[in-house]
Amino acid sequence: EAGVAQSPRYKIIEKRQSVAFWCNPISGHATLYWYQQILGQGPKLLIQFQNNGVVDDSQLPKDRFSAERLKGVDSTLKIQPAKLEDSAVYLCASSFRGTSTDTQYFGPGTRLTVL
Amino acid sequence: QKEVEQDPGPLSVPEGAIVSLNCTYSNSAFQYFMWYRQYSRKGPELLMYTYSSGNKEDGRFTAQVDKSSKYISLFIRDSQPSDSATYLCAMRATSGTYKYIFGTGTRLKVLA
Repeated sequence: EAGVAQSPRYKIIEKRQSVAFWCNPISGHATLYWYQQILGQGPKLLIQFQNNGVVDDSQLPKDRFSAERLKGVDSTLKIQPAKLEDSAVYLCASSFRGTSTDTQYFGPGTRLTVL
Repeated sequence: QKEVEQDPGPLSVPEGAIVSLNCTYSNSAFQYFMWYRQYSRKGPELLMYTYSSGNKEDGRFTAQVDKSSKYISLFIRDSQPSDSATYLCAMRATSGTYKYIFGTGTRLKVLA
């Protein structure tokens, strides 16, 4: 079974520029998550999709971050404009149904450096 | 106060040692408890998953949950250099969006 795919793996941008990350979840997984992991911290949920609908985006800085999951499969996360404090690893995860007993499977992450 | 507290380490042990990793939490609604292992520049991978209180064993790994003390542990027996990684605890409630709350992770180094 193929895992969660993410691209790019690394990205370096200047502050105030925009950037986008892509995620392809495990085939058949209805639930997709985007996490932000700042160095030395645990992952923090940014947004959770169930199919193509948003379940939880309470910790997404909506003035600069946006995410979409068209057709309920792939997803993109965008930051515009980026700030220095956005430097982090952005992890995508997916689970089968998003229920309480589901396991989340993580991709390798995209490491973003904002200069 | 953070919902989940975890000592960031680093923790260095000799090969073959028993390792104890711990997390405390404040939210009594948490019922599911997970341990993830994260190698450098990789995504987290699930190691152990337990529901409510009790012990669960899988090979060299044992997960313990004490809900009365709001304390969970992961024990690694006969630790190997390949166990060197960051270990993240995560937990979730049984209602709502089932959002995972992660600890900060403990960095473990097993010395050959």
